[in-house]
Amino acid sequence: GDSVTQMEGPVTLSEEAFLTINCTYTATGYPSLFWYVQYPGEGLQLLLKATKADDKGSNKGFEATYRKETTSFHLEKGSVQVSDSAVYFCALRSGANSKLTFGKGITLSVRP
Amino acid sequence: SQTIHQWPATLVQPVGSPLSLECTVEGTSNPNLYWYRQAAGRGLQLLFYSVGIGQISSEVPQNLSASRPQDRQFILSSKKLLLSDSGFYLCACGQGTNEKLFFGSGTQLSVL
Repeated sequence: GDSVTQMEGPVTLSEEAFLTINCTYTATGYPSLFWYVQYPGEGLQLLLKATKADDKGSNKGFEATYRKETTSFHLEKGSVQVSDSAVYFCALRSGANSKLTFGKGITLSVRP
Repeated sequence: SQTIHQWPATLVQPVGSPLSLECTVEGTSNPNLYWYRQAAGRGLQLLFYSVGIGQISSEVPQNLSASRPQDRQFILSSKKLLLSDSGFYLCACGQGTNEKLFFGSGTQLSVL
């Protein structure tokens, strides 16, 4: 079945540091890929997505590129801020409805 | 856009007691509705999804059940809670195959 593997956390960075959060997937067919973010005290919300190979999703300075050859969708940001502290989930969707398969999530803490 | 109301935010219940978590959706009609759970140290796991009133699909065998008595109401229930039911429960809403999912703010359930 479908699965998503995220790097182990938590991750603690200083403000303005470079961020990479790894995500790899296993799926049949051609899934759509997503990054969701959960800020403290809030529900999950979509951060960015990519629907086909080589697409790059971007939002709020974050980027992720759909790499079919390596089955990866790593999340990157060039300069993190304290406000980026949150839990980040990688997810995929394949099939005929909106069901998402999520990774375990990783907690990012950015210190001033 | 859709708004998802989920309550309560936190809940502490003794083992063997019943459970009812309610989720209601505003701003859309005939949505696909989902219940996810995040247990400690694990990713988000899809428990149930519903494509219409009275239509429930279960993804994993478990102690829980779901019902959809109205188009925009999704209820998660249990007759007798187990310790292993502890976790963070999220209701989500989507439409079609390309719509992103919108999530509620979640319920942290602790079974003691």
